[in-house]
Amino acid sequence: GAVVSQHPSWVICKSGTSVKIECRSLDFQATTMFWYRQFPKQSLMLMATSNEGSKATYEQGVEKDKFLINHASLTLSTLTVTSAHPEDSSFYICSANLKGYPEKLFFGSGTQLSVL
Amino acid sequence: GESVGLHLPTLSVQEGDNSIINCAYSNSASDYFIWYKQESGKGPQFIIDIRSNMDKRQGQRVTVLLNKTVKHLSLQIAATQPGDSAVYFCAENEQAGTALIFGKGTTLSVSS
Repeated sequence: GAVVSQHPSWVICKSGTSVKIECRSLDFQATTMFWYRQFPKQSLMLMATSNEGSKATYEQGVEKDKFLINHASLTLSTLTVTSAHPEDSSFYICSANLKGYPEKLFFGSGTQLSVL
Repeated sequence: GESVGLHLPTLSVQEGDNSIINCAYSNSASDYFIWYKQESGKGPQFIIDIRSNMDKRQGQRVTVLLNKTVKHLSLQIAATQPGDSAVYFCAENEQAGTALIFGKGTTLSVSS
């Protein structure tokens, strides 16, 4: 089956630094990738929608200058948390649509970010 | 915006029982619904899906029911096992290819 690889699976960083999270579709091309954030004991909240070669569309309340999304190819999207603060500590999850089959959506295994 | 919600935050059952997890949604334009299982520290795992032109779909040990009249979705798990213990989310979207909107989640605890 289709696999979405997310890296790293966990990261600890100091306040003020930037962290990059990668989301790769390993054996398929993804038309669209989505980024979610999940705080403890809460649901997944959509942060942004990313299409290859175009700017990401951010949900209301999500700062685009803080959460930089790059979708340079049909198999890779990255989320960079810039100038991270403790309140950015969360579980970040990406998902990807199979090109040609928009209803087929696959999730990565998530990245746990802890900002000290 | 409209969102998908869940009625109960927790559900505790005995091994072998049938479990029913409910979900209420508010977007009448929703066309596609999915149930996910999420274990601690992992991404969501697909369980079963259903389109708005159906009212029931069955999988292995799982059944999803959709009542569009009252905008209600449910997941039935037959012969629940300890390995079914996890958080279950319903999710929906209006159109294939658009982002899924997730409900609040129900934690299922199965005791043996």
